[in-house]
Amino acid sequence: EVQLLESGGGLVQPGGSLRLSCAASGFRFNMYAMSWVRQAPGKGLEWVSSIRNSGDSADYADSVKGRFTVSRDNSKNTFYLQMNSLRAEDSAVYYCAKSRFYMDVWGKGTTVTVSS
Amino acid sequence: DIQMTQSPSTLSASAGDRVTITCRASQNISRWLAWYQQKPGQAPKLLIYKASTLESGVPSRFSGSGSGTEFTVTISSLQPDDFATYYCQQYDTYSTFGQGTRVEVK
Repeated sequence: EVQLLESGGGLVQPGGSLRLSCAASGFRFNMYAMSWVRQAPGKGLEWVSSIRNSGDSADYADSVKGRFTVSRDNSKNTFYLQMNSLRAEDSAVYYCAKSRFYMDVWGKGTTVTVSS
Repeated sequence: DIQMTQSPSTLSASAGDRVTITCRASQNISRWLAWYQQKPGQAPKLLIYKASTLESGVPSRFSGSGSGTEFTVTISSLQPDDFATYYCQQYDTYSTFGQGTRVEVK
């Protein structure tokens, strides 16, 4: 079964850091780009970042550029989102998704709350 | 940046109705558009990609059309399971989602 499982969410103070992980199974992970998409409470979907299958290139939304870094470890079928300098407006459910184009597989999401 | 605008924001309909949601892109995205369905507390589910290609397992009552800057998704006969929020997404240049259209019970 194709599956994505996020972890690492939690409560963090403004200015703090958090690293999210997304573990993939059921498909050839190293063949696919992967993405992070977030959804603030009661709001719509916002693309955050995508990383190519080799990990040598990544893109970011302007709202997170310079603060967030995406990476992957193909040997572990896992990719990551390092989030620094967190702000209240980064509070959201963070989903990982397969592909950087149309996203055909999604995880269930992990919740990040930025609050003092 | 490419902006995506959906209309309407909310659509009230009854089971059996034919419903259409529109998505407009701020610039030409060819056919690089996807549609998703999301229910409360769940992750989005891919319905349609490349503007009109139905994802495997998605009922044939869903259809998509359009190219360039204007796109639609149509549900030919609304079923109880279809009451949800729908999002379009462009993937021509990075990725951008529309603001969503909530389909609610009339």
